[in-house]
Amino acid sequence: AQSVTQLDSQVPVFEEAPVELRCNYSSSVSVYLFWYVQYPNQGLQLLLKYLSGSTLVESINGFEAEFNKSQTSFHLRKPSVHISDTAEYFCAVSPQGGGGNKLTFGTGTQLKVEL
Amino acid sequence: NAGVTQTPKFQVLKTGQSMTLQCAQDMNHNSMYWYRQDPGMGLRLIYYSASEGTTDKGEVPNGYNVSRLNKREFSLRLESAAPSQTSVYFCASSEMGLELNEQFFGPGTRLTVL
Repeated sequence: AQSVTQLDSQVPVFEEAPVELRCNYSSSVSVYLFWYVQYPNQGLQLLLKYLSGSTLVESINGFEAEFNKSQTSFHLRKPSVHISDTAEYFCAVSPQGGGGNKLTFGTGTQLKVEL
Repeated sequence: NAGVTQTPKFQVLKTGQSMTLQCAQDMNHNSMYWYRQDPGMGLRLIYYSASEGTTDKGEVPNGYNVSRLNKREFSLRLESAAPSQTSVYFCASSEMGLELNEQFFGPGTRLTVL
């Protein structure tokens, strides 16, 4: 079984400041890692994913996340946030090798960007 | 492509009433999922269907039933709604395969049980 911990339920930050959203996971098998974003009153959208290869993955809108196997972490970072980044962010894992592609989600981090 | 669609968008039920939430995808995906989202708890998997003709329980299946009607459609039924089932319900779909695990989500159904 897998579990995901997002310790920060809310992160307030000023526009153009850097931000880090933390994600730690626990699993007895190797996993794939994901960050999803949910804008108000919408469904979830995939932001970025780590499947294999380079441990640093990037999204098209400036977010990046680094897979750290020894610390079982997949923190999400952005060097300079914009008002439009205000949303809820979910970290998720899925076991490698099948398992029905089931995702286990963290409890989410609400990012609020202020002027 | 509409992606994943869900109906209805909003629903209010009284305790004990039944209803079916509908989900359809036009991406020819094999796998489909139903989640519920509650404040402070993230998304929890209710049921999933790895492929047409199969369904399996997720983390919180009690009080729900599902039907994989065909490859496109996956419905969720509440036989006797309870206030604890007040939630936002999301349907998702994904392709099978070891590498393509991305799930695509619908816009959600907001359900209130009085």
